[in-house]
Amino acid sequence: QVQLRQWGAGLLKPSETLSLTCGVYGGSFSDYQWSWIRQSPGKGLEWIGEITHTGSTTHNPSLKSRVFISVDTAKNQFSLMLTSVTAADTAVYYCARAVSGYSRYNYYYNGIDVWGQGTTVIVSS
Amino acid sequence: DIQMTQSPSSLSASVGDRITITCRASQSIHTYLSWYQQKPGKAPELLIYSASTLQNGVPSRFSGSGSGTDFALSISNLQPEDFATYYCQQGFSSPRDFGQGTIVEIK
Repeated sequence: QVQLRQWGAGLLKPSETLSLTCGVYGGSFSDYQWSWIRQSPGKGLEWIGEITHTGSTTHNPSLKSRVFISVDTAKNQFSLMLTSVTAADTAVYYCARAVSGYSRYNYYYNGIDVWGQGTTVIVSS
Repeated sequence: DIQMTQSPSSLSASVGDRITITCRASQSIHTYLSWYQQKPGKAPELLIYSASTLQNGVPSRFSGSGSGTDFALSISNLQPEDFATYYCQQGFSSPRDFGQGTIVEIK
């Protein structure tokens, strides 16, 4: 049974850099897209971005060039960095596993089936 | 970007009711549509993917339909544990945005 466990600083000041890491335990690391999603207080889900085990990334343009997602295959971990945070970045951040890829050249996306426990990040001066 | 619009934003229903939530994409996403359930203080859980495929372990009272731009999540014989917030998500292209959510409340 695969589990995702995430960690990182929960209290930041404006202009600082958010840094979170997610460890993948008990499952394959190479067959999925590794994702970050956030949820502002009382709001809906916002997809931040994703990365493959080879390091191929895509992210939400709404976050402009502040997002960096990286992967460490030796440790089965992936990480999120968000620079120049403001109060608008206050949210619960989730790491997650998306079942997505190519099978015989056919693309598939079978949803996000495993989620981390979430990390509350508060940005306040 | 593909915009995902859910309706209604909230609804009230009783145990045993059948409800339907709709999700519309701003352009065709074929059947790259997933549905999630989220309860307060918890991470979302995957219910349905590929528009109509039930995730392992999800009760059969949940069903999904649709293709192209219009999709629906139906829950028959609503149970107390089904009162939650539901989100759709498109997986056709990046950014893989979610709908704004539908809150299902007890009448």
